[in-house]
Amino acid sequence: DGGITQSPKYLFRKEGQNVTLSCEQNLNHDAMYWYRQDPGQGLRLIYYSQIVNDFQKGDIAEGYSVSREKKESFPLTVTSAQKNPTAFYLCASSMRTGSGEQYFGPGTRLTVT
Amino acid sequence: QQQVKQSPQSLIVQKGGIPIINCAYENTAFDYFPWYQQFPGKGPALLIAIRPDVSEKKEGRFTISFNKSAKQFSLHIMDSQPGDSATYFCAAKRLGIQGAQKLVFGQGTRLTINP
Repeated sequence: DGGITQSPKYLFRKEGQNVTLSCEQNLNHDAMYWYRQDPGQGLRLIYYSQIVNDFQKGDIAEGYSVSREKKESFPLTVTSAQKNPTAFYLCASSMRTGSGEQYFGPGTRLTVT
Repeated sequence: QQQVKQSPQSLIVQKGGIPIINCAYENTAFDYFPWYQQFPGKGPALLIAIRPDVSEKKEGRFTISFNKSAKQFSLHIMDSQPGDSATYFCAAKRLGIQGAQKLVFGQGTRLTINP
């Protein structure tokens, strides 16, 4: 079964703690993305990576960090510097070339109190 | 110039009606326009997509109309069903640093189809 998995589905943290969200894909896609979704807003790009060991900041990268040590994995760390971390986080992947169609994982809902 | 503006924010239609969701953009560098469907608590799923050299595309009950000169595109759902109730996002693709394919999303439309 090919696809993107994100874990956990729900995550609760205390303010001031860093937390890492997992994203794994077995679609053999080169590019991976992290988005943040807030109620009533579209998806906003946090970070993206086109190849292993390389990634770029998206539109709202402040307070987040990523790594891309393996093609299949693109974990996102929400640091204590992120002022409003409570949100629904979505991971996606795509081929580097072609139409740019992005496939999304099921998401992780992070609640920070 | 990187924005995609989507309307309406919410829409309620009776079963069998034809909901229409509209999007507008400014950046002429966008070259691919997908629509995503998202159910509560789930990730978005690609529904249908169009390129700017085509004025209309149909897939089943879903149709995209594209007006390149007006920089607008819209989604029509024929014979809508309660199961179509979801949030719909339009998006536009542009190339970023090192040729990265980046999507810019509209704000979303929450569609409700009443039985």
